[in-house]
Amino acid sequence: EPEVTQTPSHQVTQMGQEVILRCVPISNHLYFYWYRQILGQKVEFLVSFYNNEISEKSEIFDDQFSVERPDGSNFTLKIRSTKLEDSAMYFCASTVRTGGPNSPLHFGNGTRLTVT
Amino acid sequence: AQKITQTQPGMFVQEKEAVTLDCTYDTSDPSYGLFWYKQPSSGEMIFLIYQGSYDQQNATEGRYSLNFQKARKSANLVISASQLGDSAMYFCAMREDGGYQKVTFGTGTKLQVIP
Repeated sequence: EPEVTQTPSHQVTQMGQEVILRCVPISNHLYFYWYRQILGQKVEFLVSFYNNEISEKSEIFDDQFSVERPDGSNFTLKIRSTKLEDSAMYFCASTVRTGGPNSPLHFGNGTRLTVT
Repeated sequence: AQKITQTQPGMFVQEKEAVTLDCTYDTSDPSYGLFWYKQPSSGEMIFLIYQGSYDQQNATEGRYSLNFQKARKSANLVISASQLGDSAMYFCAMREDGGYQKVTFGTGTKLQVIP
């Protein structure tokens, strides 16, 4: 069964450094997402991406964050200057449509980002 | 206001018994979808079951069923014949179809199955 893949599984970085989290969504999916989950807390929406542009973003997704789909298969989340509070599990997700029974988000296994 | 409310931070259930995890939601959109996800201790998010707002019947997937009460805006997950492997966090989530694409999650319920 096709799946969403995320790399790396763990990333440790120093405060102020840039990080890029990578995702390969399921190939026929059209809508892409990034969510984050601070340890033990709720899953928070960051951004959705459709037709090569951001369709919606949360207030968390400030100027330090950006997303890109550079080559038609990869979907990346960049954090320009990491802060301690960016430490979290970051999930990439995709879906083929946004309504109906075939519309659940399919999640990757996440990237655990630790900012020191 | 919270879009999705899960009032049970933790639940225990005896193996082989059934358990109900509560979820209420808030929306004025007539068209929406409700989802349940399972997150084991390993961290991945596993889709379990979907209910559309216009679906006439409650959704079922194997041992999972969704008790959908539209007037009460509740979408409780029922797990029958609990197994030890059901121990995990369970998240209720909603997508409002009125032009929005994001899925909003509740705070989760940690279920522990006791042998």
